[in-house]
Amino acid sequence: EVQLVQSGAEVKKPGESLTISCKASAYRFTTYWINWVRQRPGKGLEWMGRIDPRDSYTNYSPSFQGHVTFSIDESTNTAHLQWTSLMTSDTATYFCARPNLPGDTTALSHWGQGTLVIVSS
Amino acid sequence: SSELTQDPAVSVALGQTVRITCQGDSLRNMYASWYQAKPGQAPILVIYGKNNRPSGIPDRFSGSSSGNTASLTITGAQAEDEADYYCSSRDTSGKRVMFGGGTKLTVL
Repeated sequence: EVQLVQSGAEVKKPGESLTISCKASAYRFTTYWINWVRQRPGKGLEWMGRIDPRDSYTNYSPSFQGHVTFSIDESTNTAHLQWTSLMTSDTATYFCARPNLPGDTTALSHWGQGTLVIVSS
Repeated sequence: SSELTQDPAVSVALGQTVRITCQGDSLRNMYASWYQAKPGQAPILVIYGKNNRPSGIPDRFSGSSSGNTASLTITGAQAEDEADYYCSSRDTSGKRVMFGGGTKLTVL
């Protein structure tokens, strides 16, 4: 069974750095893009961007470009989402998701359970 | 275009049919995907492509498209269908993905 298992909840202060992870299993990791999606409390889904595990090529949403960094550790089938300087507005649940078909972009059929990030002074 | 527009809220009587719509310029050339989201849970893909349901999604969910509008129809809504529904598509560049603002479905 395909699974995406994300790291646990985090509580951080503004200005701190953070990396959260998404570990994939039961499929060929390099075949499917990993997408990241944000959901702020009580708000809708926001696509942050995606990364190709084959070569770490990325597409970022303009809303997130420059504020977050996606990376891949192919040796552990894990995708990472990194912030170097968190803001209170980063408080949200973050999901990783995999598309249904290789090369697909929008049909995200497999999702991690979400990682809650709370940024508060 | 970089926007997908959904009605914020829709309600349906138990067992009746409801249509949730999504409008955007990108939908003239691209299919929408539809997700069901419940509090505290990861979203679930319910429709993708022309009208495809992932394994395990009941056949009461269907999708359609006309012009710049994509629709998700639930035929015979059940209590467990009460959730937020999001449409999604690529933007016109094809490189990025957009989500609609979401529609809160209430089953009465």
